[in-house]
Amino acid sequence: DAGVTQSPTHLIKTRGQQVTLRCSPKSGHDTVSWYQQALGQGPQFIFQYYEEEERQRGNFPDRFSGHQFPNYSSELNVNALLLGDSALYLCASSPTGLGDTQYFGPGTRLTVL
Amino acid sequence: AQSVTQLDSQVPVFEEAPVELRCNYSSSVSVYLFWYVQYPNQGLQLLLKYLSGSTLVESINGFEAEFNKSQTSFHLRKPSVHISDTAEYFCAVSEGGGGAQKLVFGQGTRLTINP
Repeated sequence: DAGVTQSPTHLIKTRGQQVTLRCSPKSGHDTVSWYQQALGQGPQFIFQYYEEEERQRGNFPDRFSGHQFPNYSSELNVNALLLGDSALYLCASSPTGLGDTQYFGPGTRLTVL
Repeated sequence: AQSVTQLDSQVPVFEEAPVELRCNYSSSVSVYLFWYVQYPNQGLQLLLKYLSGSTLVESINGFEAEFNKSQTSFHLRKPSVHISDTAEYFCAVSEGGGGAQKLVFGQGTRLTINP
């Protein structure tokens, strides 16, 4: 059973560009959450998708947007990149239900120059 | 709002010594608590979790954590550490009540095992 997968592994962009990160959830999981982990920090919640809709959102600007597809996979889009967007972006999936555990992918390392 | 405080940013210990990584949380509602481990250049792996029931939870690799509601703590312990336990450890909290809620993480504790 494949776990959570993310692509690409690494990405280098310049300021002002746009980027799309992808995530495939663990089999049987229908909820996808995205987190940003800056160097030396704990992960910060960006947003969560369920049934192709954004269900919760953290304190991130509108430059951060996402999408969930019918097969539960998800994309994270970031527009007008800033140097401060450089981070490890983690995707987590979970099944619907009480107290569900979130399982994390390996992450995408984004560097903005 | 929920918050998590990991009281130590770095913990160095000798191999086979005991270790405790401290975690305190604040929340106005009932919570679920988690410890995740992150090895270098990898994502997060679930170590253990408290959802309900017994306040002492254990992992398969010898770690344990105890939920203390009165002290709002969820400290992680291991009686004898191994070199392979060297990693970053994150405590996290989510609101209980159903559904997958967002996780709020602490800043992390870097555990370094010295031979």
